[in-house]
Amino acid sequence: KQEVTQIPAALSVPEGENLVLNCSFTDSAIYNLQWFRQDPGKGLTSLLLIQSSQREQTSGRLNASLDKSSGRSTLYIAASQPGDSATYLCAVDNFNKFYFGSGTKLNVKP
Amino acid sequence: DVKVTQSSRYLVKRTGEKVFLECVQDMDHENMFWYRQDPGLGLRLIYFSYDVKMKEKGDIPEGYSVSREKKERFSLILESASTNQTSMYLCASIGANVLTFGAGSRLTVL
Repeated sequence: KQEVTQIPAALSVPEGENLVLNCSFTDSAIYNLQWFRQDPGKGLTSLLLIQSSQREQTSGRLNASLDKSSGRSTLYIAASQPGDSATYLCAVDNFNKFYFGSGTKLNVKP
Repeated sequence: DVKVTQSSRYLVKRTGEKVFLECVQDMDHENMFWYRQDPGLGLRLIYFSYDVKMKEKGDIPEGYSVSREKKERFSLILESASTNQTSMYLCASIGANVLTFGAGSRLTVL
């Protein structure tokens, strides 16, 4: 069974810092990987989707990379802002069966 | 943008009550999902549906049933609510490989 791990579980950084969130998975036979943001008490908002044939995707200050062979993905956030404070989750798509990490709770201090 | 709407954001019910959680998506997606999210346990799949009147059990279907009479609507039913079903319930649909979530329904069973 696919297992998805996110490290660190929590991260606190000063505003303006660049940071990297990590996601690892045990079964490399994935269809794609998606990064989400979740604000307290809310649903998940999709940030980036990386297809299995892609190496990275970018949206604004966010860049996500995927290395299927090593079972890893990273989410890079440039010039962090207090509004980026949220929990970030990765989800691996094993052909319409999704496995979620437990998330990294990010706090960006003004 | 795809919209997934969960009709109830907060519900408080009594043990033994029948509970309906409604979810509607506006993009003609075939696949829809119900998850529950609990601290320390992450997101767990309850049921999913890949077409009208079609459903599959997820990882934790016990105590739940679902209904998909129309393509846009996927309902989660708690036949007899119990306190251990107090949770955040998240509905999602998928199109073009992107999983889109509703805002969530926070259910408290007393």
